[in-house]
Amino acid sequence: DAKTTQPNSMESNEEEPVHLPCNHSTISGTDYIHWYRQLPSQGPEYVIHGLTSNVNNRMASLAIAEDRKSSTLILHRATLRDAAVYYCILRVSNQAGTALIFGKGTTLSVSS
Amino acid sequence: GAGVSQSPSNKVTEKGKDVELRCDPISGHTALYWYRQSLGQGLEFLIYFQGNSAPDKSGLPSDRFSAERTGGSVSTLTIQRTQQEDSAVYLCASSLGRAQPWGYTFGSGTRLTVV
Repeated sequence: DAKTTQPNSMESNEEEPVHLPCNHSTISGTDYIHWYRQLPSQGPEYVIHGLTSNVNNRMASLAIAEDRKSSTLILHRATLRDAAVYYCILRVSNQAGTALIFGKGTTLSVSS
Repeated sequence: GAGVSQSPSNKVTEKGKDVELRCDPISGHTALYWYRQSLGQGLEFLIYFQGNSAPDKSGLPSDRFSAERTGGSVSTLTIQRTQQEDSAVYLCASSLGRAQPWGYTFGSGTRLTVV
């Protein structure tokens, strides 16, 4: 799987939008972009994924650059419960025989 | 059950002893994964089961580690002759199938402490 680069940490204030960046300059045409997050003392949970078009779900939005070399996870209104480690992972669509490989992610802190 | 269940939630063992960690995946999920997470570190992939296929053991750190999955459901991760560096949180995840990486559901993990 191609490599992703994320900032080690970010800070946000409660009820403000948060934009979590991810660079993936070596992405190939068949790589999906996945985001997971890990709340303190819990296992990771799926957030969102996409290929080319921007995606929205109840948790977040995923904005994908036109050249797909970067993407941004958007939390529209951060809450204290959004404080977590956010992982950006690339996965080849037909690489069905392997497990997801997690990097170090971005640690998001949210202040009230 | 509704989620992935792992037991025990905490385990303290003496160096050199064997331990077994259990994972009960979501019913109907054919893929099962084991990861471990050392303090302050990211997730390290250990092993992956898909249906009746041979497991992907490429992440197991040594031959002291083994895992089995009986009847395509419950899985047990066994660590023999535990060492202090084995101390970590061991996480299990399951998904409907190997082609659905967006569908991983993780358990809360087993915190293993080797003293």
